[in-house]
Amino acid sequence: EDKVVQSPLSLVVHEGDTVTLNCSYEVTNFRSLLWYKQEKKAPTFLFMLTSSGIEKKSGRLSSILDKKELFSILNITATQTGDSAIYLCAPDTGGGNKLTFGTGTQLKVEL
Amino acid sequence: SQTIHQWPATLVQPVGSPLSLECTVEGTSNPNLYWYRQAAGRGLQLLFYSVGIGQISSEVPQNLSASRPQDRQFILSSKKLLLSDSGFYLCAWSVGNYYEQYFGPGTRLTVT
Repeated sequence: EDKVVQSPLSLVVHEGDTVTLNCSYEVTNFRSLLWYKQEKKAPTFLFMLTSSGIEKKSGRLSSILDKKELFSILNITATQTGDSAIYLCAPDTGGGNKLTFGTGTQLKVEL
Repeated sequence: SQTIHQWPATLVQPVGSPLSLECTVEGTSNPNLYWYRQAAGRGLQLLFYSVGIGQISSEVPQNLSASRPQDRQFILSSKKLLLSDSGFYLCAWSVGNYYEQYFGPGTRLTVT
């Protein structure tokens, strides 16, 4: 059975802090891992990672994948209140048609 | 550009009543379509996915069913709702072998 574990489950930080969110997985037919941000309704896409060791970066967010150790991390530097959200990781399995989502990390950034 | 619609946005239904949630996608052809459920603001559970008209794969045995009567239309149904069917239902689409999925605004269902 596919398994995706995210940690921590929740996190409260102050503006300007740097956070690291973790995602470990055990899935069959792994091809890629996706990160999403969910504020109130629809999750929005952040990154897709397919190769180990190659960092993807978008502004203050960055992510990296380790296919040998089966985990990924999402870093957010200089956090802002607008970063408050649930962050979901989802390895792709089943040949590109299926994402298995983790339970998410709820991040709250306070002033 | 592509857009995805879901309705209704919120729904309160009594136990034992039927359910029909609709999802439509615009601006793309032959999308892969997905139904997810999210409980308690946490991870998404894949319920059904479809790679074409009339082709439905069920991921979790349950009180729900899905249909795809048209290329860009995906419907989630139930004949008799249970309390445990309450949750946030999200529809998503992707194209071909691209893994990135795009989500609709969701329907919050409360079964009373």
